[in-house]
Amino acid sequence: QSVLTQPPSVSAAPGQTVTISCSGSSSNIGNNYVSWYQQFPGTAPKLLIYDSGSRPSGIPDRFSGSKSDTSATLGITGLQTGDEADYYCGTWDTSLNAAVFGGGTKLTVL
Amino acid sequence: QVHLVQSGAEVKKPGASVKVSCKTSGFTFTSYGISWVRQAPGQGLEWVGWVSGYNGATNYAQNFRGRVTMTIDTPTTTAYMELRSLTPDDTAVYYCARDRSSSARENWGQGTLVTVSS
Repeated sequence: QSVLTQPPSVSAAPGQTVTISCSGSSSNIGNNYVSWYQQFPGTAPKLLIYDSGSRPSGIPDRFSGSKSDTSATLGITGLQTGDEADYYCGTWDTSLNAAVFGGGTKLTVL
Repeated sequence: QVHLVQSGAEVKKPGASVKVSCKTSGFTFTSYGISWVRQAPGQGLEWVGWVSGYNGATNYAQNFRGRVTMTIDTPTTTAYMELRSLTPDDTAVYYCARDRSSSARENWGQGTLVTVSS
């Protein structure tokens, strides 16, 4: 049972926009920054978003992040078949004194 | 550029211990922390703990306290994670990652598969 809640799957057509939600509580998302990761099968996760809405160098601006209260959202515009992957949200939980992740969302580009 | 290169796959029997290494390069090791994250087959990410590259201070997830030890070797810029009293439930890919902050793991190793089976 993950501390952060994500939908198991989302899907959209190429070129469309998709959003992935991540729900938490005041002890984690509510008072800490959120990060997002992309993971292809058999490979390590890759940081897409940090500090809730900032992109590391090299991450296209098709990927965006936002946070409101105890929830966060990853947005992907101009979907490409190459975006098919698992996406995870993460943050720090002040009560647990631990990093926590969502259960992951599988994105299918139809 | 930043690189984290982990040791190879391990097969262990229940009750044994495993020690995974994470050789880093391309950044000032003493300025960052290293997190360890595991992923069981077909499952999500689980944070195991963190070790400071500055002074070796540690913070372990509750589920692993008493069973895990994370250390560093500053001259070789290498981090280590040892997990003891292994059970089949510990079968997973273990990743090391350089922390950008407490909330973000910025660069990841390639992962080390640890299989626990009798």
